[in-house]
This record gives sequence, structure tokens and C-alpha cells, in this order.
Amino acid sequence: AQKVTQAQTEISVVEKEDVTLDCVYETRDTTYYLFWYKQPPSGELVFLIRRNSFDEQNEISGRYSWNFQKSTSSFNFTITASQVVDSAVYFCALSELYTGGFKTIFGAGTRLFVKA
Amino acid sequence: SQTIHQWPATLVQPVGSPLSLECTVEGTSNPNLYWYRQAAGRGLQLLFYSVGIGQISSEVPQNLSASRPQDRQFILSSKKLLLSDSGFYLCAWTKGVGRGGYEQYFGPGTRLTVT
Repeated sequence: AQKVTQAQTEISVVEKEDVTLDCVYETRDTTYYLFWYKQPPSGELVFLIRRNSFDEQNEISGRYSWNFQKSTSSFNFTITASQVVDSAVYFCALSELYTGGFKTIFGAGTRLFVKA
Repeated sequence: SQTIHQWPATLVQPVGSPLSLECTVEGTSNPNLYWYRQAAGRGLQLLFYSVGIGQISSEVPQNLSASRPQDRQFILSSKKLLLSDSGFYLCAWTKGVGRGGYEQYFGPGTRLTVT
């Protein structure tokens, strides 16, 4: 069965610090997709990145970067030079094929506090 | 571009009262639609998903039900609310074609308090 673990419940950093949010997943499929979403205080989840299981290339988008390692079943998210606006709950998610389509499960989320 | 709407934004209902939350998507056709519930400080729990009109799959048996009367409309209902139904309800959509594994786009959510 699929599972997503975000062991860090809350992280608090000071502005301009780098921070890494951990995500470990379990799946028996060879084809799957990984995602990160951001949930700011307003509540609406915002899609950040999608990765398929055949693409282990790391990705950088501005201050955000993602490290996908199949060997350790991890898909970690790093924010460089954090800003107060980065304060939010971040969810890692896994989507894998099952009868009828793809099913996505979410980790419990990591709440990030960035203090000025 | 695609947009997803949910209403109402907030709702306070007494125990035992009915519920109807609505979600509509614009700018796409034949989307996969999802209802999630998020308890305070917790992760997302998938409640229902739909791959087409009238096609509903339930993930968690409970006193909630869902319907999809039109391609881009998804409704979450209950005949009698329980205290445990309180939470933040999110509707989401993904593309409904291809091999799947697409990212989900979420609506603004409905914050439901059952008193």
C-alpha cells in the first residue's frame, strides 16, 4: 500500500535561513508521481511541483529546489533564503495507478514558520 | 484558463441538519473531481472522487454522499450532520485524460462547523 511520511510536524526558521522539508514515500509500483503542495493561511492548496518516477533529475525553481532519490524513497523540498511569505503548511503527495485510475494520498503536512 | 469555485466559504450548521456543498470547474471538460476533508491541523482525507457524470467512488464510509449531476459540477451532501463532520472541505480537479498522475487544482474550500 502507498504511504507518505512527513516526519517534521512543524519547523521554525528565521528569515533568510535555508530550510529542507522531508518527504519519504512507500509504493510497490514502478510508475508513480510525486507532488508538493503549499497551503498558506488562506487555506487553498497550491500546486508546486510534479515528478514522475522515471525522472530523478533534481529541479530548481527560484528559491525552491527538490531532491528526488529513488534509492531512499525520498522527495525533499528545500527553500533557500526563506521569507515570511513562505510560512505555510507544505504537503507531499504520492499518486500511483490502481484499478480505475490514479489515486493520490497526502502526507500529514509540515507547518513552516518563517520569522522576520 | 481553468478556475474552480466552491461555496459557501463558511458554514455553521447544527447537528442533525442537512448539508449541501457545491463545487464547479470552469475552463475544462471531463475533469476528474475530488472531495477532501481536512480536520484542524491535520492532513487531507479523500472522501469521494468522480471520473464522469454520475460516477462516484467513495473512499470512506460515513454519513456523507456525493453527486455529479453535470460534467463540471460536484456536490457533497449529508442528510444529518454529526459533530465529527466539522472541518475544512476542499474540492479539487485534475485532467481526466491520458495516463493520469496529474497534479490537482484545489478550490478555496468551505469551512464547516457543526454545533
